[in-house]
Amino acid sequence: GQQVMQIPQYQHVQEGEDFTTYCNSSTTLSNIQWYKQRPGGHPVFLIQLVKSGEVKKQKRLTFQFGEAKKNSSLHITATQTTDVGTYFCAGQETSGSRLTFGEGTQLTVNP
Amino acid sequence: EAEVAQSPRYKITEKSQAVAFWCDPISGHATLYWYRQILGQGPELLVQFQDESVVDDSQLPKDRFSAERLKGVDSTLKIQPAELGDSAMYLCASSLVTTRGQETQYFGPGTRLLVL
Repeated sequence: GQQVMQIPQYQHVQEGEDFTTYCNSSTTLSNIQWYKQRPGGHPVFLIQLVKSGEVKKQKRLTFQFGEAKKNSSLHITATQTTDVGTYFCAGQETSGSRLTFGEGTQLTVNP
Repeated sequence: EAEVAQSPRYKITEKSQAVAFWCDPISGHATLYWYRQILGQGPELLVQFQDESVVDDSQLPKDRFSAERLKGVDSTLKIQPAELGDSAMYLCASSLVTTRGQETQYFGPGTRLLVL
């Protein structure tokens, strides 16, 4: 079955440093979604990428979808303490099919 | 802003007992999902409903788990009997597909289950 892998599993940064998490699917995806889960909270939708090579930005967050639609990345510029949490990518092989989540990257930011 | 409601928020039970979780999706959302999230891992889909019909329950351990959404609105997930390995967060989500074909899943706060 489809597998979605994320690296790194953990990332500790100093406030102001950049952060990147990478997501790789074993199969070609229809779309990829990113979620953020704060400690003790629930996943919150951040963005969906659909097109090959797509790049989207949300303030300090930049999301990329690979040309082959099998990988994706999330980059945070100049991290802040409010960025703390676990970032999950989740892929769908076809629109409406099950969403397969990666293991997540847990980000901690030291002030 | 509308939210997905879940209850209870926390549940402690002994193994072999029965437990039930309830979810009320965002009004108008036809698709409802139950996920299990083990600590340190990503959510894993247990069952997906489209209105009152099951779309995907391939990952649901049907010998002990059951889910229903009788009127196509709220939903119940049951475990009977509970086992130690069932300790996890159970998340409910609902979604709506936009006219542009984008689907966003909105998660509830979850029910944290501890089986002793």
